[in-house]
Amino acid sequence: GQQLNQSPQSMFIQEGEDVSMNCTSSSIFNTWLWYKQDPGEGPVLLIALYKAGELTSNGRLTAQFGITRKDSFLNISASIPSDVGIYFCAGRAGSYQLTFGKGTKLSVIP
Amino acid sequence: ETGVTQTPRHLVMGMTNKKSLKCEQHLGHNAMYWYKQSAKKPLELMFVYNFKEQTENNSVPSRFSPECPNSSHLFLHLHTLQPEDSALYLCASSQSQAPLGDEQYFGPGTRLTVT
Repeated sequence: GQQLNQSPQSMFIQEGEDVSMNCTSSSIFNTWLWYKQDPGEGPVLLIALYKAGELTSNGRLTAQFGITRKDSFLNISASIPSDVGIYFCAGRAGSYQLTFGKGTKLSVIP
Repeated sequence: ETGVTQTPRHLVMGMTNKKSLKCEQHLGHNAMYWYKQSAKKPLELMFVYNFKEQTENNSVPSRFSPECPNSSHLFLHLHTLQPEDSALYLCASSQSQAPLGDEQYFGPGTRLTVT
C-alpha cells in the first residue's frame, strides 16, 4: 500500500507562535487532506487539496499541495490554546483508498 | 457535530461476547467506512461500502462482520474478539464520486476494550 511520512511527530510551541508540519509520500497523490483530532473525538476535516501547487486557507490554517504531488504542508499562524490536538494528513494515489499519516501532536504553552 | 453519529461511545466486552457498533450519517452521502485507530499507528481502513455494497475488505478477520442496510446506516458486529482488538473504531462517510468522495467525515468513534 501507499505510505505517508508525517513530521514532526510532536511539537511544543508558545501561544502566538506559527506552526508548520508536513507529509511526504513515496507515490504521486491526487488528493491531500488535513484533519484535526481532539481527545476522545473523531478526526475533523480542516482542508482538502486537489491540484498540485494549490494553496488553501481556513482561518489561521493554510495548507499547500506540493508541486511534485508527493508532499503537503500545513501551517497554523498565531497559535492559540484550542489548537492543541493531533493533526493528520491523508492522501490518495490513483484508485487507492485514502492513506493516513501517523499524526503530529501539537501542544500549545499559554 | 460532523453529521456522523456513533453508538455506543464506550464498550467493554469479554472475549466470548457478541456486540454491535452502530453508525448513522445525516449528510446524504453514499459511501461509508469503518476504520480502526490504535495508539501510535496510522488509521487502518477496515471496510468500505458504496451504495450499500461492500467494495473493500482490508483483510479484516472474520470476527468483525459489517452490515450496511442502507446508505445512512452502518453496523460492525463483533464476536469472539481478542484483547489486541481494543482500539477506537471510527465510522466515516463521503460522497461516492471523486473528488468530493475523498472528503471523509468522521463520527466520534467507539472506544472498545476487550477483556
